[in-house]
Amino acid sequence: QSVLTQPPSASGTPGQRVSISCSIGSSDIVAHPISWYQQLPGTAPKVLMYRNDQRPSGVPARFSGSRSGTSASLAISGLRSDDEADYFCAKWDDSLRGWVFGGGTKLTVL
Amino acid sequence: QVQLQESGPGLVKPSQTLSLTCAISGDSVSSNSAVWNWIRQSPSRGLEWLGRTYYRSQWYHDYASSVKSRLTINADTSKNQFSLQLKSVTPEDTAVYYCANDLTGALWDYFDSWGPGTLVTVS
Repeated sequence: QSVLTQPPSASGTPGQRVSISCSIGSSDIVAHPISWYQQLPGTAPKVLMYRNDQRPSGVPARFSGSRSGTSASLAISGLRSDDEADYFCAKWDDSLRGWVFGGGTKLTVL
Repeated sequence: QVQLQESGPGLVKPSQTLSLTCAISGDSVSSNSAVWNWIRQSPSRGLEWLGRTYYRSQWYHDYASSVKSRLTINADTSKNQFSLQLKSVTPEDTAVYYCANDLTGALWDYFDSWGPGTLVTVS
């Protein structure tokens, strides 16, 4: 069974670089990619990163993604107050034949 | 840019069937490269993928094991929309329900567009 584990919270000050981790515990043989979503308060999630490290058009280069084996991370540099949001990782799991989401990380900009 | 919009009742009584519709603009529900999903979010369960439908010369459906016995997802090509029907609901099914799509056709890629979501309360 695939489980994506994220820290419940993260914080930083404006201008800082923060990183959010997503630990992949899975019996899934095929390493499907991780995608990341940003959810601003009261809105639907929005894709921030796909295929581990690809940014959709319109997402600033301050956001970057990486993956190494069973660990993925989202990094935000030049932190801004409007980055304050919930961030989720997700992947398809062949053994479950379904999508799994991380529990989400609430980012606070101090 | 694909736009999605959920609609349906905001209040459902326990044991009844929850029915929602997702209207699609900017693409066709029967596109051979799109996948149409239902996802819900609640404080207790977080984001939870419920199921999907897609057309590849015929219609396919996948459902999450947690709701498989109660969930049906259908596409309506005449109205360019897809629907969710969740039977025998309980208060545990109270959540914001989202429709979302994957346009790459890979079946495992990412959720490209999301509807704004609709809150459904079971009470």
